[in-house]
Amino acid sequence: EVQLVQSGAEVKKPGESLKISCKGSGYSFTIYWIGWVRQMPGKGLEWMGIIFPVDSDIRYSPSFQGQVTISADKSISTAYLQWSSLKASDTAMYYCARYSSTPKEAFDIWGQGTMVTVSS
Amino acid sequence: EIVLTQSPGTLSLSPGERATLSCRASQSVSSSYLAWYQQKPGQAPRLLIYGASSRATGIPDRFSGSGSGTDFTLTISRLEPEDFAVYYCQQYNSSPIFTFGPGTKVDIK
Repeated sequence: EVQLVQSGAEVKKPGESLKISCKGSGYSFTIYWIGWVRQMPGKGLEWMGIIFPVDSDIRYSPSFQGQVTISADKSISTAYLQWSSLKASDTAMYYCARYSSTPKEAFDIWGQGTMVTVSS
Repeated sequence: EIVLTQSPGTLSLSPGERATLSCRASQSVSSSYLAWYQQKPGQAPRLLIYGASSRATGIPDRFSGSGSGTDFTLTISRLEPEDFAVYYCQQYNSSPIFTFGPGTKVDIK
């Protein structure tokens, strides 16, 4: 079964660092882009960035450039999203999703989401 | 940056009725790069339509997509109880840059 499994929910304090993960299985992890999507409570979907695991080519949304770091370890089929200093406004659900190129050109497989709560 | 606008914000319908959801882009979007997703409460989004009109694997044929240029439509021919959810359109252009629309909530009348 093709799937993305994300790490569990996190509760952090402002200023703390955090790295969440997204592990792919059931397909060749290195040949698909993996994107990250934020969903703040009660709000819509926001694309944050995307990585190509085979060479770690990374593209960020201008809204998130400098705010987060995306990385991947192809040897363990895992992508990461990290923060160096969390803010309360980072409280959200974070999804990873596989981007399938030709012919689909869409995010066809989604992780279950990681809830990040930042509160003092 | 291409901005996607979805209308209406909320659509209140009864099971068995037809739903027509609109997605309008601020600039022309290649049909190849326009997708629709469904999200139910507490769940991750699910791909419904890619390439503006192609159904993803396992998606019932009551879901259909159409449109080109700046105007795209998702139609649900006869609403089933499990179709009440939020629907997002999404586009890709070069860079790569992805944007999602704000979503249309389809709720039970």
